[in-house]
Amino acid sequence: QVHLQQSGPGLVKPSQTLSLTCAISGDSVSSNSATWNWIRQSPSRGLEWLGRTYYRSKWSYDYAVSVKSRMTINADTSKNQFSLHLNSVTPEDTAMYFCARAGQAHYDIWTGYYYVFDYWGQGNLITVSA
Amino acid sequence: EIVLTQSPGTLTLSPGERATLSCRASQSVRGSYLAWHQQKPGQAPRLLIYGASTRATGIPDRFSGSGSGTDFTLTITGLDPEDFAVYYCQHYGFSPYTFGQGTKLEI
Repeated sequence: QVHLQQSGPGLVKPSQTLSLTCAISGDSVSSNSATWNWIRQSPSRGLEWLGRTYYRSKWSYDYAVSVKSRMTINADTSKNQFSLHLNSVTPEDTAMYFCARAGQAHYDIWTGYYYVFDYWGQGNLITVSA
Repeated sequence: EIVLTQSPGTLTLSPGERATLSCRASQSVRGSYLAWHQQKPGQAPRLLIYGASTRATGIPDRFSGSGSGTDFTLTITGLDPEDFAVYYCQHYGFSPYTFGQGTKLEI
């Protein structure tokens, strides 16, 4: 059974960097059959996928356009965890942040594997305020 | 990106009844790579259905999904009190992976 345990501060000041960590048990951050994602939820924006990392002979990263210039995801194989760093935060970044594993769900001979969010962390409520 | 529109916004039913939730996509969802998630207050979402119609591990068979292209449906037959929650559809065919705005199922 996969378990994701999130950690991080609840309050971040405007213009600073938000950092969250997601510790994985029951799977490996280097797994060839999963991707590791960050998703946030707010009343104004709903559920919003932010980005992912995954390992397929090398590390790859995808980011949503809305945060691409401010966001970095790192994987730490020694601790089996991955992290989110979002810089220059504003009150609009106030949200519940979730990490999530996406496991393999389908294979298409032409386009490859497709992944679905099947395990979620417990969430961190992040408030951006002075 | 694909915009997912769910209806109704709120659905009021009683235990034992049948719920029908709709999700409409702004463009065809490749391969029916559409999922449904359930979220209860204070909890993370939980995967119910993927591939438009395949139940995730441990999900009761009163939950069923259908549809293809741009129109998808989640049906819950014989509502259990624990089913009252918010339901989200989500596509995963390509990034960005987007979610609908949710349907609240209330008693």
